[in-house]
Amino acid sequence: AQSVTQLGSHVSVSEGALVLLRCNYSSSVPPYLFWYVQYPNQGLQLLLKYTTGATLVKGINGFEAEFKKSETSFHLTKPSAHMSDAAEYFCAVSHFSGYSTLTFGKGTMLLVSP
Amino acid sequence: DSGVTQTPKHLITATGQRVTLRCSPRSGDLSVYWYQQSLDQGLQFLIHYYNGEERAKGNILERFSAQQFPDLHSELNLSSLELGDSALYFCASSGVDGGAGYTFGSGTRLTVV
Repeated sequence: AQSVTQLGSHVSVSEGALVLLRCNYSSSVPPYLFWYVQYPNQGLQLLLKYTTGATLVKGINGFEAEFKKSETSFHLTKPSAHMSDAAEYFCAVSHFSGYSTLTFGKGTMLLVSP
Repeated sequence: DSGVTQTPKHLITATGQRVTLRCSPRSGDLSVYWYQQSLDQGLQFLIHYYNGEERAKGNILERFSAQQFPDLHSELNLSSLELGDSALYFCASSGVDGGAGYTFGSGTRLTVV
C-alpha cells in the first residue's frame, strides 16, 4: 500500500520569497515520486518526478525537489516565488510496475502575495 | 495541449440521469486512468484500463462503469446520478510503465442538479 501526506492545505508566501511545499510518503517498495501543478479550471501538469538516480530533481518553472529516503520525504522548493506560481500542487507516489497507479496527496494551495 | 482529449468539458444534468464521459489518450499510450476530483475527497482513483482490459479498480461506485475501445479511447459511464457525484472527472494516459507518470486531460466538470 502507498500513501501521501501533504503538510498544509494552504501555504502563503510573498513574491520573491522561498517556496517550500512539504510531502511525505509511505510505500512498501521503492517509490516513484511526482509533483503536479493544477491551475484554476485546468488539468494537472507534471512539474517533476523522481524515479531512480540523482535524488535532487529539477523540474519546470524553477522548481526542484529532493528525495530523502531516510525521512520518506519529497519536498518541493523554489528559491523565489512568482505571482504566476499561485496554484494547487499535488504530490503523488507510485512504484515500478507496468500497471502501477498514482496515489495523490490532498494538495496544497500556494498563495503568492505582491 | 497535453495530447489527452476529454469531452465534454462541462456537463449539467439532473439527478437520476446517466451520462457518458469520453477520453482519447495521448498518441501511443495504451493505458487510460480515470480520477474523480472533489473538494472533500481530493483526487480519487477510479479505474485503470490497459489496451482494452481492466487492470485496477479504485474507489469506483457500482453505478459507475468504464471501458476502453479497440482504438484506445475510453468512456466513463455514470448512472443514477446523485448530487454528490458533482465533481471534476479527469482522464490520464501513460505508456507501458504507468509508474513513470501520467499525462492528464483538462477534465470534465459534471454538475448534478
